[in-house]
Amino acid sequence: DAGVIQSPRHEVTEMGQEVTLRCKPISGHDYLFWYRQTMMRGLELLIYFNNNVPIDDSGMPEDRFSAKMPNASFSTLKIQPSEPRDSAVYFCASSLAVLNTEAFFGQGTRLTVV
Amino acid sequence: KNQVEQSPQSLIILEGKNCTLQCNYTVSPFSNLRWYKQDTGRGPVSLTIMTFSENTKSNGRYTATLDADTKQSSLHITASQLSDSASYICVVSSAYSSASKIIFGSGTRLSIRP
Repeated sequence: DAGVIQSPRHEVTEMGQEVTLRCKPISGHDYLFWYRQTMMRGLELLIYFNNNVPIDDSGMPEDRFSAKMPNASFSTLKIQPSEPRDSAVYFCASSLAVLNTEAFFGQGTRLTVV
Repeated sequence: KNQVEQSPQSLIILEGKNCTLQCNYTVSPFSNLRWYKQDTGRGPVSLTIMTFSENTKSNGRYTATLDADTKQSSLHITASQLSDSASYICVVSSAYSSASKIIFGSGTRLSIRP
């Protein structure tokens, strides 16, 4: 397996534009997580899915952020409209279970909003 | 309030030396504690996962300890190598009936000098 695949690796966009980040989890993993990492706040869990269903989205910063998982092999994180403070590295991770198992992270998408 | 605190914030040691990183948490109810290694520009990679009943777990030159009574964990690195230069992140999970909470420490940035 190629691991968790995220695209794009880098994204530069203008404030106000819509941004869509994509993630393909490891096949067979039932859990998918979206994280955001900044220098100021470190790693933050935004939302996680179990069997394509959002379980906990309490980490989503505001209504401008939305995440979907239409099937077991694909998830998106959308920001609309984007703002400069959204600039961060966004990681997707997947695991077999939410507890007591290893979560595998993708390479991340570095988002810059100018 | 669920918190995970790591110390030191940064550490510089000479190649070949040992070091110990600390993680204190106030997460409740406790489910597991993980240590991740994150190289610059890459996603975190799991080093160890420890549950309530485990006191110590090793992964090569990395040894993690857990004291569930004092809510403390440490990551000991033996005979450090230049490739150990990275950020080390402590993550504590808490299990509820309907969802799990995953709380991240801010990390320790370790630099190994030749």
